[in-house]
Amino acid sequence: AQKITQTQPGMFVQEKEAVTLDCTYDTSDPSYGLFWYKQPSSGEMIFLIYQGSYDQQNATEGRYSLNFQKARKSANLVISASQLGDSAMYFCAMRETTAGGTSYGKLTFGQGTILTVHP
Amino acid sequence: EAGVAQSPRYKIIEKRQSVAFWCNPISGHATLYWYQQILGQGPKLLIQFQNNGVVDDSQLPKDRFSAERLKGVDSTLKIQPAKLEDSAVYLCASSLAIRGRHTGELFFGEGSRLTVL
Repeated sequence: AQKITQTQPGMFVQEKEAVTLDCTYDTSDPSYGLFWYKQPSSGEMIFLIYQGSYDQQNATEGRYSLNFQKARKSANLVISASQLGDSAMYFCAMRETTAGGTSYGKLTFGQGTILTVHP
Repeated sequence: EAGVAQSPRYKIIEKRQSVAFWCNPISGHATLYWYQQILGQGPKLLIQFQNNGVVDDSQLPKDRFSAERLKGVDSTLKIQPAKLEDSAVYLCASSLAIRGRHTGELFFGEGSRLTVL
């Protein structure tokens, strides 16, 4: 079973508008972390935002916010006021705690969503 | 602060040849990861080191892939012999140990793009 599912292969948004990128996850671990990364055409992976499973509030980082709905197991990324430079591939990822109660930090990634921002 | 360094950036080889990729993580990062990213897909973990010990290599094709992290700093990933399906970007990442509220995000290098002909 897929642990991280991103159902939108591609999304389009007009410059200055907001866009939501979907992510659902599957875990039975009560302690986990959710990440979003941006990958421009140059290839580097850029960390955007993090949400811990026990965090009471949705994470925000500048124009990025994470709409965390724990019961639905979704962690959608919202980008406000889109800019041309936001055009990139976006990946949702999850870190689970190992059976021994520790986590060495490895992330499992979804398939990604290509975002295109139109002027 | 210097980021994760990888080399070479690009490599083209014939199938059945061998190739090696090098990674130098961010100073002080105990954990190092090698991910394989096939075009159009998300990165897939190949191997994870904690200092110089292997934590997870469950998805590493051990008949052809090998990796080492001598002295717990830089690391080398080797493919021998290469197959056509090994064409991908090989991403190296590093992270601090996770403590308290630290997110433990992964910091990635620019990747090494391999083309197998």
